[in-house]
Amino acid sequence: EDQVTQSPEALRLQEGESSSLNCSYTVSGLRGLFWYRQDPGKGPEFLFTLYSAGEEKEKERLKATLTKKESFLHITAPKPEDSATYLCAVQAHSVDSSYKLIFGSGTRLLVRP
Amino acid sequence: KAGVTQTPRYLIKTRGQQVTLSCSPISGHRSVSWYQQTPGQGLQFLFEYFSETQRNKGNFPGRFSGRQFSNSRSEMNVSTLELGDSALYLCASSGDSHNTGELFFGEGSRLTVL
Repeated sequence: EDQVTQSPEALRLQEGESSSLNCSYTVSGLRGLFWYRQDPGKGPEFLFTLYSAGEEKEKERLKATLTKKESFLHITAPKPEDSATYLCAVQAHSVDSSYKLIFGSGTRLLVRP
Repeated sequence: KAGVTQTPRYLIKTRGQQVTLSCSPISGHRSVSWYQQTPGQGLQFLFEYFSETQRNKGNFPGRFSGRQFSNSRSEMNVSTLELGDSALYLCASSGDSHNTGELFFGEGSRLTVL
């Protein structure tokens, strides 16, 4: 069964204190791994797509990496506005090309000034 | 370009009632997916529609149904509501012809069942 596990559940950082979020997955044929950010009361906002082991994507203070079993979201010198829940999701290969994503439970990040 | 619009944003129902939620995707997007988000289960896939056809369905009972219209707008319906149906229901649209899985989510419809 396809499964996504994120750790830690919650993370508190001081502004400027870099860290990493983990997403481990088991899927029958990975089509893509996705990172989303969700603010309270809002829908998730797309950040990155990773397709194959060794791939990296960067956006401002965020960098996502992918191995065959897990993905990391590295946050460099975070700011309070980076506080949010970060969601990881996988999409398995399917004959119908449908957009079914399996989400992890998320990591709640709080960055204190 | 307008984003994904969901209505209503908040609603309260009682057990046994039914509810219909609406989603207007980004203009030009043909795929609409629905997800249920709860504190205990996180985001769970309900179903996806593409060009008025259901392409995939999650593991939810038959009380959960949906449809998509020719203008890509979608509705989902939950009949015989149960307390456990209280959740944030999120709609997401995608128009990516390469099927990269980049979904654009609405702000959700928060359903409370009393």
